[in-house]
Amino acid sequence: DAKTTQPNSMESNEEEPVHLPCNHSTISGTDYIHWYRQLPSQGPEYVIHGLTSNVNNRMASLAIAEDRKSSTLILHRATLRDAAVYYCILRANNAGNMLTFGGGTRLMVKP
Amino acid sequence: ETGVTQSPTHLIKTRGQQVTLRCSSQSGHNTVSWYQQALGQGPQFIFQYYREEENGRGNFPPRFSGLQFPNYSSELNVNALELDDSALYLCASSLAGLANEQYFGPGTRLTVT
Repeated sequence: DAKTTQPNSMESNEEEPVHLPCNHSTISGTDYIHWYRQLPSQGPEYVIHGLTSNVNNRMASLAIAEDRKSSTLILHRATLRDAAVYYCILRANNAGNMLTFGGGTRLMVKP
Repeated sequence: ETGVTQSPTHLIKTRGQQVTLRCSSQSGHNTVSWYQQALGQGPQFIFQYYREEENGRGNFPPRFSGLQFPNYSSELNVNALELDDSALYLCASSLAGLANEQYFGPGTRLTVT
């Protein structure tokens, strides 16, 4: 299975943009890139996903490198509520709905 | 539209006992997955059910079993509980398909003593 690498933790100031990186050098052509986040004491929450093109939704933007070996989740204005563990996940074509979570990045937001 | 719900919220069991955890999927979703999350780690996939059949399993022993019912609610059963089974158990529902997001419940915190 293709794996992802993320920094263990990152810090941001409130109301500033946050760029969360993810490396996935062994990604295959049919793997989707998904991002989930887990707030304290809650189940994971879907954030965004993409295949090749950059994606935007109400929560965040996903920038995917041209060679697809890395991606970046962008929170345009961090709030205290965005403090969570962010998981970058590759969904393989033969894995059904299984999500393989790594360690994720713990984002801390300072007021 | 109701979200994914799980019961109970917390549970304490003794080693060797059996436990059943329940999940009610989001309306219209035909796929449910179960995950185990140990403290400080990411969730680990246990198995998934699609239209009442198990169609994917992670690296968990057979004493972890499940059921999915016609209304798409689901159960996770764990027999012969071990201390290492203490964890947060999460269920997630979705429509089948690579691009479909999964909706997670709040989890059941199981403590085995």
